[in-house]
Amino acid sequence: DVKVTQSSRYLVKRTGEKVFLECVQDMDHENMFWYRQDPGLGLRLIYFSYDVKMKEKGDIPEGYSVSREKKERFSLILESASTNQTSMYLCASSLSQEAFGYTFGSGTRLTVV
Amino acid sequence: GQNIDQPTEMTATEGAIVQINCTYQTSGFNGLFWYQQHAGEAPTFLSYNVLDGLEEKGRFSSFLSRSKGYSYLLLKELQMKDSASYLCAVPTNNAGKSTFGDGTTLTVKP
Repeated sequence: DVKVTQSSRYLVKRTGEKVFLECVQDMDHENMFWYRQDPGLGLRLIYFSYDVKMKEKGDIPEGYSVSREKKERFSLILESASTNQTSMYLCASSLSQEAFGYTFGSGTRLTVV
Repeated sequence: GQNIDQPTEMTATEGAIVQINCTYQTSGFNGLFWYQQHAGEAPTFLSYNVLDGLEEKGRFSSFLSRSKGYSYLLLKELQMKDSASYLCAVPTNNAGKSTFGDGTTLTVKP
């Protein structure tokens, strides 16, 4: 089975801190994604990557950046955390989305205080 | 752009059948996904439809009508463990990016 691992299940950070969320997948998938999920707003795409060192903005990239130095790892960076970035963050990967869909990590619930 | 609509909540009885609808508007169609998400957990892939018609997978079936921009997920012989949120998603381009609906929270009662 494809496994997508997010480094932390729960995180509490202070306003203004730089925050790193790590995601690793073990099945050589090309595509990786970062979403945030908020009640009433559903899943919203922050950034995605379809190859090493390639990245594209999603629907809500402001306040975030990403890094993909290796195929298996896709990191989300909150440059200066703010309270409105308190959310559930979900990483996903896919080889061929048509056939298999996304495989999601278990999520990181980030609280910014 | 993409626009996806699903009912917010549904309730059904254990052993019954429930149909969760999804309507979408998209500038280019590359298929439609259904995911299941239990409370506090990550979504898991249920089905993918790219051609019109019904695809059956055990107790779950998914239907697509491209001309109507409409899909539904059919759950038969409902079990308590089927209580979850069901997300409809439409790929937006060939890079595998998807837009998700807000999800339908299904509650199964005894």
